Amino acid sequence: EPEVTQTPSHQVTQMGQEVILRCVPISNHLYFYWYRQILGQKVEFLVSFYNNEISEKSEIFDDQFSVERPDGSNFTLKIRSTKLEDSAMYFCASSENFSRRGEQYFGPGTRLTVT
Amino acid sequence: RKEVEQDPGPFNVPEGATVAFNCTYSNSASQSFFWYRQDCRKEPKLLMSVYSSGNEDGRFTAQLNRASQYISLLIRDSKLSDSATYLCVVPDYSGGYNKLIFGAGTRLAVHP
Repeated sequence: EPEVTQTPSHQVTQMGQEVILRCVPISNHLYFYWYRQILGQKVEFLVSFYNNEISEKSEIFDDQFSVERPDGSNFTLKIRSTKLEDSAMYFCASSENFSRRGEQYFGPGTRLTVT
Repeated sequence: RKEVEQDPGPFNVPEGATVAFNCTYSNSASQSFFWYRQDCRKEPKLLMSVYSSGNEDGRFTAQLNRASQYISLLIRDSKLSDSATYLCVVPDYSGGYNKLIFGAGTRLAVHP
């Protein structure tokens, strides 16, 4: 069964450093997303991406965040200068097409710890 | 602000029990709804989609009441493996796309 993969599974970084989280969405899916979940809290939407551009972003997704699809398979989330409050689990997700865009398939997540 | 509210639980039930979770949502324009399941420290996994008044899949039944803006999930004949957090999810398509709004989840613990 196709699945979304993410690397690394755990990233520890110092405050102010840049991190890049990587995702490989399901191959025939057209819509890609990043979500985050701070420990003990709700899953929160960060950004959606379609046709090589951001289609929507939340207020969390400020100028410190960027996304990129550098090739036909990878989808990355970059945080330019990490803050302590960026510590969370970051989930990548993908969905097949417009009519099924609510049915999103999540990767196993990257746990980001900012010290 | 578009919200999704759930009873946090935990619901502690014996194997074989029937258990129901409720969810209310504030966005009256929502047309589709989802239940996701999340195991501890794992990713959310799609459990059921609800596009009309309800959906049934084996032991799981989801029902939608649009007038009351209320969705429920019923699990019959609970198994130990059903222990997880159940997330009520309502898409916000106002931006034209596909932002999912998650509830905080209802925790279920099934015991022998």
